Amino acid sequence: DGGITQSPKYLFRKEGQNVTLSCEQNLNHDAMYWYRQDPGQGLRLIYYSQIVNDFQKGDIAEGYSVSREKKESFPLTVTSAQKNPTAFYLCASSKGGRVRSYNEQFFGPGTRLTVL
Amino acid sequence: QQQVKQSPQSLIVQKGGIPIINCAYENTAFDYFPWYQQFPGKGPALLIAIRPDVSEKKEGRFTISFNKSAKQFSLHIMDSQPGDSATYFCAASMVYTGNQFYFGTGTSLTVIP
Repeated sequence: DGGITQSPKYLFRKEGQNVTLSCEQNLNHDAMYWYRQDPGQGLRLIYYSQIVNDFQKGDIAEGYSVSREKKESFPLTVTSAQKNPTAFYLCASSKGGRVRSYNEQFFGPGTRLTVL
Repeated sequence: QQQVKQSPQSLIVQKGGIPIINCAYENTAFDYFPWYQQFPGKGPALLIAIRPDVSEKKEGRFTISFNKSAKQFSLHIMDSQPGDSATYFCAASMVYTGNQFYFGTGTSLTVIP
């Protein structure tokens, strides 16, 4: 059963703590993405990776960090530098990579992070 | 700067009605326009997508209309059902940017039985 898993579904953290959100895919996709979703603002791109060991900043990368050591995994760390981290975080993947083609992005179920 | 502008923010229709959601873009380099459907607490799922070489695409009750000269595209839902109640996002991308998507701000659709 192929797909994208994100864990945990709900996450609570105290202000000032770093937290890492997990994203795993078994679709054999090269490209992976992290989005942040806030009410009325749609999906905003945080980071994306087209291939293992390579990633680029999206529109709102400040206060976040990522790694891409394995093709199937793209964890996102929300650092204490992120001023307003409470949001719904979505991970996505696509065939992508460096091949120029139209590729659907498949989304995971999301993680709702609440910082207290 | 919002690359893709979506309206309306919310929409309420009666069952059987035809809700229409509109999106506009400025960057003429965009060449792929998907629509995603999202239910509460879930991730978005691809509904239908269009490329700029066609003016209309239908899949079941969902139709995309595309106006290249006006740089606008819209989603029509025929014979809407209560199960269509969800948030809909339009998006745009260009193949040269490695499949980076630019999303609209979303439209919350409610279909009343």
